[in-house]
Amino acid sequence: DAKTTQPPSMDCAEGRAANLPCNHSTISGNEYVYWYRQIHSQGPQYIIHGLKNNETNEMASLIITEDRKSSTLILPHATLRDTAVYYCIVTRYTGNQFYFGTGTSLTVIP
Amino acid sequence: EAQVTQNPRYLITVTGKKLTVTCSQNMNHEYMSWYRQDPGLGLRQIYYSMNVEVTDKGDVPEGYKVSRKEKRNFPLILESPSPNQTSLYFCASSFRADRNEQYFGPGTRLTVT
Repeated sequence: DAKTTQPPSMDCAEGRAANLPCNHSTISGNEYVYWYRQIHSQGPQYIIHGLKNNETNEMASLIITEDRKSSTLILPHATLRDTAVYYCIVTRYTGNQFYFGTGTSLTVIP
Repeated sequence: EAQVTQNPRYLITVTGKKLTVTCSQNMNHEYMSWYRQDPGLGLRQIYYSMNVEVTDKGDVPEGYKVSRKEKRNFPLILESPSPNQTSLYFCASSFRADRNEQYFGPGTRLTVT
């Protein structure tokens, strides 16, 4: 599976959009981009995933570049409860081993 | 309520004393997995199971065993725990192996002295 690169930390003002980048330059055609987050030491929580097209759900939006070598997770109106570590994971849809990296620690500032 | 449960949540034990961490899910999921989390290393997969009686190694399987005799349960066994297995452990499940929306348990914090 392709590996990902994320910035180690980011800040965002409360109420503003949080844009979290992820590079996955070695992604292959059958690999999906998944995003999870982990609040403090709780179990990770699924956020969203996509293949080629941009995706949106009640939690976030996922923007994938046309060449699929990078993506951005957007939290449209960040709240203090969005402070967490965000993981970008690239995996085959029929994948088994699931590689978390060290993620991006997002701090939402009042 | 759909959930993944782990027991115990906290455990302090001594080197060499066999232990089992249980994991159970009530969602009829086929796929289950164990991870450990250590500072600076992120989450690393230990073992996973595609279905009953089907298990395979993840990234860091040394020192661990698993079994999948029933669909709902996926226990993690440490036959002879060592201090380097002190970690935060998570169990996860998903509907199928090709459905990677995984549901995670609350975690088990293990300390081996």
